[in-house]
Amino acid sequence: SAVISQKPSRDICQRGTSLTIQCQVDSQVTMMFWYRQQPGQSLTLIATANQGSEATYESGFVIDKFPISRPNLTFSTLTVSNMSPEDSSIYLCSVIPNRWGHEQYFGPGTRLTVT
Amino acid sequence: AQKITQTQPGMFVQEKEAVTLDCTYDTSDPSYGLFWYKQPSSGEMIFLIYQGSYDQQNATEGRYSLNFQKARKSANLVISASQLGDSAMYFCAMREGGNDNNDMRFGAGTRLTVKP
Repeated sequence: SAVISQKPSRDICQRGTSLTIQCQVDSQVTMMFWYRQQPGQSLTLIATANQGSEATYESGFVIDKFPISRPNLTFSTLTVSNMSPEDSSIYLCSVIPNRWGHEQYFGPGTRLTVT
Repeated sequence: AQKITQTQPGMFVQEKEAVTLDCTYDTSDPSYGLFWYKQPSSGEMIFLIYQGSYDQQNATEGRYSLNFQKARKSANLVISASQLGDSAMYFCAMREGGNDNNDMRFGAGTRLTVKP
């Protein structure tokens, strides 16, 4: 398995500001993803964080709003830009440790509230 | 497009009894994986069990078992001997294709409450 940590665990932010969320894994992993879980909802994939290249975004998510970095095989960041109250969600980092395995693990999440 | 359906928004079960959480899926890809996750109030997503589309036997992990009916495209989670700590949201998820496919999609979830 992989041990995943996220920073910050929670934050309250003002409208119009930006927040960068960090995801750190204790071992090199093949794939890293970012998900969003709006209040009372299921998880929605935002993007796949690609090492050394631009992230692959899902429909409805754009790089200007959710820039993502992945400088190496153990670390990624997600920035939520120009925040509005609708961005209030839990943001989860997820990894597939081994490209030949099926396991997919999630970090503890970052609870974001935008006022 | 793949689709995951969980028709039970909420379920109640008496402590020590078994409970089944329903999940149906829709895919045209012959290769896929089915997952169940538990999300307690703390928000973390805890991996419970996995079933591959080519697996011949139903997956089991301790008190969790997956009732996989491929022809009916259902992958119900069975929790035996429920405990108070099992109270949580449960999500069914599917990932199509080989391991290069990262597209894990989730159902709406079922909130399970275990009564003492």
